Formats: sequence, C-alpha cells, structure tokens
Amino acid sequence: DSGVTQTPKHLITATGQRVTLRCSPRSGDLSVYWYQQSLDQGLQFLIQYYNGEERAKGNILERFSAQQFPDLHSELNLSSLELGDSALYFCASSVAGGGDNYGYTFGSGTRLTVV
Amino acid sequence: DAKTTQPNSMESNEEEPVHLPCNHSTISGTDYIHWYRQLPSQGPEYVIHGLTSNVNNRMASLAIAEDRKSSTLILHRATLRDAAVYYCILRARDDKIIFGKGTRLHILP
Repeated sequence: DSGVTQTPKHLITATGQRVTLRCSPRSGDLSVYWYQQSLDQGLQFLIQYYNGEERAKGNILERFSAQQFPDLHSELNLSSLELGDSALYFCASSVAGGGDNYGYTFGSGTRLTVV
Repeated sequence: DAKTTQPNSMESNEEEPVHLPCNHSTISGTDYIHWYRQLPSQGPEYVIHGLTSNVNNRMASLAIAEDRKSSTLILHRATLRDAAVYYCILRARDDKIIFGKGTRLHILP
C-alpha cells in the first residue's frame, strides 16, 4: 500500500456518460497529480493541484476537469466519454508543489473502460 | 521539457547486476535526474534521484557522468520482481514529472 488511495479500481461505462474518479493523497502530501495511461500514448500528465489550487496543466481535454477539496482529496471528472478515453488513470501525491524535489507516490490506478 | 534517451528494452539474468543507461545531452544545470519504475499492473514507483553526485538507496544506485549528459541506474542484484519499465526523467525544480517511453527490463531466471 503506497498510501495513495484511488477509487474505484475498475469502472465500465457507456459512451456519452460522465464519471468521477477519486484520489486520497498520502498523509501530509499537499500536491495531487493526475496521469492517464493508454497503450498507445504511455503515461500522460493531465493536471496538478497544490493545496486546493490548480498548479499545472498538461494534456487534459476540455471534457475533463478536476478539483482538490479542503481535506486534500481530489476528483477527476470525465464527461461525454468516448471509446478513446478507455485507459488507466493514476493519481500521485507529493509533499509539496514547489521548492522541493521529492518523489511522487502513485496510487494503483482506476481502470476505465468505455463501451 | 528536456529529453532523455533510453533503450527500448534490456535483458538481464537473475541475481546479476543490471546497468540501465540514460542519455540526456540537453540537461540544464538545475535539472534533477529522476528514475521511476512501473511493475506490471501497478502504478509507477519512485526509485531514486540525483543532481550531480552519485546516489545510493535501498533500491538502487544512480551513477551520474561528470558532464551530467548521461546517467546509469544500477540494480545490484536483479530479482524476478525487478522486471518492469524503468523511466529516466529530467525534472526542473518545481516542475511536474513527464514520462517518456522508458526501458522494459526483462529478468531471465
């Protein structure tokens, strides 16, 4: 157990639907990062939150959004789902969002299948 | 983002040392060299990082060339559980981690 908790572990949904993925960071970590991993694209950085505020944005589609709540857990919302959104979604956390060079701790991921 | 070049795949025998190379000729003076690995069906896992000096921890050693244009991750005694994709990443301070394709390491029993 890495200390980063992601739920659900598996999700199957239909095209056009909306889903929410949840991440609880490791205790004491203020930053949360979201990554998407598909077979053809590898690990793609989506977005980072630090202490409730958006810190960095990567290749995140407009149909996707995220937020970090006061208790530091984060949610990734995926809407108008397409078949190509099927992937593993990883959340990672780190101690701080800047001024440090600590490693990230990753969760075990949510496998999303869009049918 | 500064680029790294790694072999697509490598093989090693169990219980022998493994040297995983990484070239990063465009590294800037403030970039840290990070290594992560991803075991099958798991999330990435931090392995080690360094700036200029060689680094050791319980998982591995990181040897950094004097000109910092290349580095080598050393697994001292590979086990079957070390079979994974290993990512070499350059990270500017305060910056996000961007993954490349990595090296798929196969361990032969």
